[in-house]
Order: sequence, then C-alpha cells, then structure tokens
Amino acid sequence: GDSVTQMEGPVTLSEEAFLTINCTYTATGYPSLFWYVQYPGEGLQLLLKATKADDKGSNKGFEATYRKETTSFHLEKGSVQVSDSAVYFCALSPAYSGAGSYQLTFGKGTKLSVIP
Amino acid sequence: KAGVTQTPRYLIKTRGQQVTLSCSPISGHRSVSWYQQTPGQGLQFLFEYFSETQRNKGNFPGRFSGRQFSNSRSEMNVSTLELGDSALYLCASSLTGQPQHFGDGTRLSIL
Repeated sequence: GDSVTQMEGPVTLSEEAFLTINCTYTATGYPSLFWYVQYPGEGLQLLLKATKADDKGSNKGFEATYRKETTSFHLEKGSVQVSDSAVYFCALSPAYSGAGSYQLTFGKGTKLSVIP
Repeated sequence: KAGVTQTPRYLIKTRGQQVTLSCSPISGHRSVSWYQQTPGQGLQFLFEYFSETQRNKGNFPGRFSGRQFSNSRSEMNVSTLELGDSALYLCASSLTGQPQHFGDGTRLSIL
C-alpha cells in the first residue's frame, strides 16, 4: 500500500538558518503530494502541494519539488523564523480513485523548533 | 470564508460510553473526511463521506461510524469507548476530494 517516510525529529534550528525536511513516498502511479503544518493546539493547515512530476509547490517561503525519479518531496525554506516552529507532515493522496475518494496517507511528522 | 468547524473541542468520557463528534465543512464543500491522530500511530484515515454517502473507509473496527447530512455536516460516532480511543479526531473538507482543509479537531480523552 501507499506509505510516506519523513525524517525523524525533532529538528532545532537557529533563526535565519536553512531548513530541509526530507520526505519520500511509495505509491503507484503519480500521487498528489502535500505538506501540512500543525501548530500547538490546532489542526492541520495545508502548506503547499504538487500534483505532477517536476511541479514545485511554494507558500510563505517554503518550497518542495515533486521528484518522481527519487520518489521524494523534500520541504525547504531559506531562512526560518521563530514563528515557523510547528510539526510538519508530508502526505500523499492517490493519483486516481475509482470511488472518487482521495484519502491522505501521512508521514509521522517532524517537529521543528526555531530558537532566536 | 469560514473554515471547518468541529465541536466540541474537548471531551472526557469513560470506558464503555459512546460519543458523537460533529463537523461542519467549509461552505460548498461536499466531501468530509475523518482522521484519528495519536502519538503512537500518527494520523490515520477513518472514513470519507460525499453527498451523504460513505465513499471510503479505513481500517478501524465497526465501533467507529459516521454519517453525513444533506447540508454536508458530518457526525462521527464511537461506541463502547476504549482507553485506546483517546486521540485528536480531525475532520477535513474539500470540494471533490482534494485538497483537504482541516478543522482544529476534537480532543477525546477516555478515563
């Protein structure tokens, strides 16, 4: 079945440091790929998405590129801020669903702490 | 535009009881999905409803059930609660299936 593997945390960075969170997946076909972020006490917020190979999703300074050849969707940000401290989840949904249902399969999450 | 609304935010129950959680999707969204989040198992898919019909179901026992109303609001029910059902239950809505937009969840604690 489908699966998502992301780097274990926690990750602690100083403000303005470069961030990379690795994410690889196993799925048939060309799934859609997502990064979600969860702040303490809240639900998940969609951060960015990509729906086909070589697509680059971007939002709020975060970027991720859909790499079919390496089955990866690594999250990057050039300069993190204290406000980026949260848990980040990589997720996929199937390329096609006969039933029309696109359930999300999540990685375990990576907790990021940014210190001033 | 209002987001996904889940009620209540917190619940405390005892073993053997049952519980009903509610989810109001973003206006116009017809798909509602439910997920369970626990520290050990992470985020797991429970089920998805679209236009009052269950389209997909995850690998959970029959104690977990749901339904969707004609206004797209959804409820999730868990019967005969067990300690292991303690979790954050998240609801997500979408127009057709993806992308999914999440609510803040209901934190269920079983004593």
